[in-house]
Amino acid sequence: GAVVSQHPSRVICKSGTSVKIECRSLDFQATTMFWYRQFPKQSLMLMATSNEGSKATYEQGVEKDKFLINHASLTLSTLTVTSAHPEDSSFYICSARRGETDTQYFGPGTRLTVL
Amino acid sequence: EDQVTQSPEALRLQEGESSSLNCSYTVSGLRGLFWYRQDPGKGPEFLFTLYSAGEEKEKERLKATLTKKESFLHITAPKPEDSATYLCAVQATSGSARQLTFGSGTQLTVLP
Repeated sequence: GAVVSQHPSRVICKSGTSVKIECRSLDFQATTMFWYRQFPKQSLMLMATSNEGSKATYEQGVEKDKFLINHASLTLSTLTVTSAHPEDSSFYICSARRGETDTQYFGPGTRLTVL
Repeated sequence: EDQVTQSPEALRLQEGESSSLNCSYTVSGLRGLFWYRQDPGKGPEFLFTLYSAGEEKEKERLKATLTKKESFLHITAPKPEDSATYLCAVQATSGSARQLTFGSGTQLTVLP
């Protein structure tokens, strides 16, 4: 299967700071990457879909000015949580796929804790 | 709107006790049904994709089957290392970016 990495795996930050999470497809070119959020004992909630070189499409209720997504290359997408607050604490997971009909492969996730 | 319902929410089995997990779905047109395994604190790990009713796929102690309304994940003689949350997701043939719609998962615990 394909390999997707995320960095960092864990981050703790103070309220008001910004945090950047990287998602990389290591052995394939990802035309589309997805960002999910997962609360304890709940399923994955899609936040946004990003295609290389174009603006991300955000799901209803997700603030695009707060969760900045950049998909600058076919192997890298970044999620920046701006002015983080304790309620942004969560498990963030990215996924990547080659084309529309391909399987999504997930990264290992990033645990964000905002103090 | 696409919907995925998984049951049971949680399942405890003794080692060697076979069982099945259910995934019921409603989708306008099914392109694929996906099964993932998720361990605590980790991202989902891909298991299977099923595309059409009647299709079956196997991997070690797991077998996934698909009908027009539901999918089953059969676990034969499970071991403690099979303990995880199993997620089912559907992808429609149309719609925005052909995203995945996930169920809430079944948390499986296999006791030694």
